Amino acid sequence: SQQGEEDPQALSIQEGENATMNCSYKTSINNLQWYRQNSGRGLVHLILIRSNEREKHSGRLRVTLDTSKKSSSLLITASRAADTASYFCATDYNNDMRFGAGTRLTVKP
Amino acid sequence: NAGVTQTPKFQVLKTGQSMTLQCAQDMNHEYMSWYRQDPGMGLRLIHYSVGAGITDQGEVPNGYNVSRSTTEDFPLRLLSAAPSQTSVYFCASQLLSGDTGELFFGEGSRLTVL
Repeated sequence: SQQGEEDPQALSIQEGENATMNCSYKTSINNLQWYRQNSGRGLVHLILIRSNEREKHSGRLRVTLDTSKKSSSLLITASRAADTASYFCATDYNNDMRFGAGTRLTVKP
Repeated sequence: NAGVTQTPKFQVLKTGQSMTLQCAQDMNHEYMSWYRQDPGMGLRLIHYSVGAGITDQGEVPNGYNVSRSTTEDFPLRLLSAAPSQTSVYFCASQLLSGDTGELFFGEGSRLTVL
C-alpha cells in the first residue's frame, strides 16, 4: 500500500492566496520529500526535510514535519496561476521511496 | 546533460505480448527506480536498484522484471502484458551520495494493453 496520503485531494484558490497541503504516513522514514507534477509530465523535486528536522523553507515553500504524528505539511505562499499542478509527498526509508496519491492544486488568476 | 530518458513515450500492446521499457540516465546516479502512475493512486514503486548488479522489489513487482547491467541503464520488462498493466510508467534516478535526496524523473511512458 502507499505510504503517504495527501489531504485534501483537490484544492482551488485565488492567485495571491496561500495553499496548504497535508501528508500523513504510516511507518518510519529517513526523510520526506515533496514533488510537483504538471499535467502529463514527470515529477519535479521541490523540497526535502529530514526526519530530525521540524521545518524547512525554500523560496515561497515552507515544509513542516511532525514525526510523532507521522505528518507533514507543505505551504505555498502568495500562489500564482503557474503553481497549478499536482503535489505529492514521498517518504524515503532506506532507498525505498513511496508516494501518496497527491493533491490537485488549481490557482485561479 | 539529457537527464533521464525514457523510451518509448507511447506503446499499445495486446494481452500476452512482451515488451521492454527503456530508461537511461547520464548523471552517473547510483539509484534508479520504476514507478507506475494510475488515476487517483499516485505513484507506486515497482522495482529499484542501488547500483549495477543490484535490484530489489518495490510495492507492485508482479508481472515485471528488471536488470541493471550498467550504471546508466535500467530497463523494465513486461513478460506477458495484461490489461491491468495499462498505466503511465516513470523511471527515476538519484545520486545516493548527494545531499538533496532528489529523484530525477523521466517524462513517462504511456502503455495501453488491449
